[in-house]
Amino acid sequence: DGGITQSPKYLFRKEGQNVTLSCEQNLNHDAMYWYRQDPGQGLRLIYYSQIVNDFQKGDIAEGYSVSREKKESFPLTVTSAQKNPTAFYLCASSYAGTAIREQYFGPGTRLTVT
Amino acid sequence: RKEVEQDPGPFNVPEGATVAFNCTYSNSASQSFFWYRQDCRKEPKLLMSVYSSGNEDGRFTAQLNRASQYISLLIRDSKLSDSATYLCVVNMNNQGGKLIFGQGTELSVKP
Repeated sequence: DGGITQSPKYLFRKEGQNVTLSCEQNLNHDAMYWYRQDPGQGLRLIYYSQIVNDFQKGDIAEGYSVSREKKESFPLTVTSAQKNPTAFYLCASSYAGTAIREQYFGPGTRLTVT
Repeated sequence: RKEVEQDPGPFNVPEGATVAFNCTYSNSASQSFFWYRQDCRKEPKLLMSVYSSGNEDGRFTAQLNRASQYISLLIRDSKLSDSATYLCVVNMNNQGGKLIFGQGTELSVKP
């Protein structure tokens, strides 16, 4: 089955700790994305990557870091510098280089920081 | 002004009703348009792409008006299972495939 997996589904951390969220895809997509969603709000782009070993900041990159060492994987680290880390984090992927770039989402990780 | 704006909702309709969602976008350079559906506490799922000539998929019809920078989604013969939040999404292809999401319109279909 092709798809995007994110783990874990729920994550709880204490304030001041860094935490890494996993995202893996086997769709052979070149591009991968991280979004965050807060209650009653739309998705906001954190980081995206169109090719291995390259990534760009999205609209709300402060307090986050990513890596793209493999095509299939795009982990997101939420650092202690992120002021409001509690949110629903969604990873997505798409083909790059086509005019219409539908993105497909993983099931998400709900992070709670107390 | 938000880059993508949608009717705030919620829309509460009876089964069998026809319901229309509207969406406007601010950037005339936008090139690709989509409707996604998001169930409560789940990830968004692609409902349909929106083409310039308009397109239909079963009970769902999407329309695009580039001159007015307006997108619509029409759902005919609403089912209980259509209850969800519908997200209007715009892609500016000259920005690396970046998608801009509207805040969503909640639909609740009642028996």
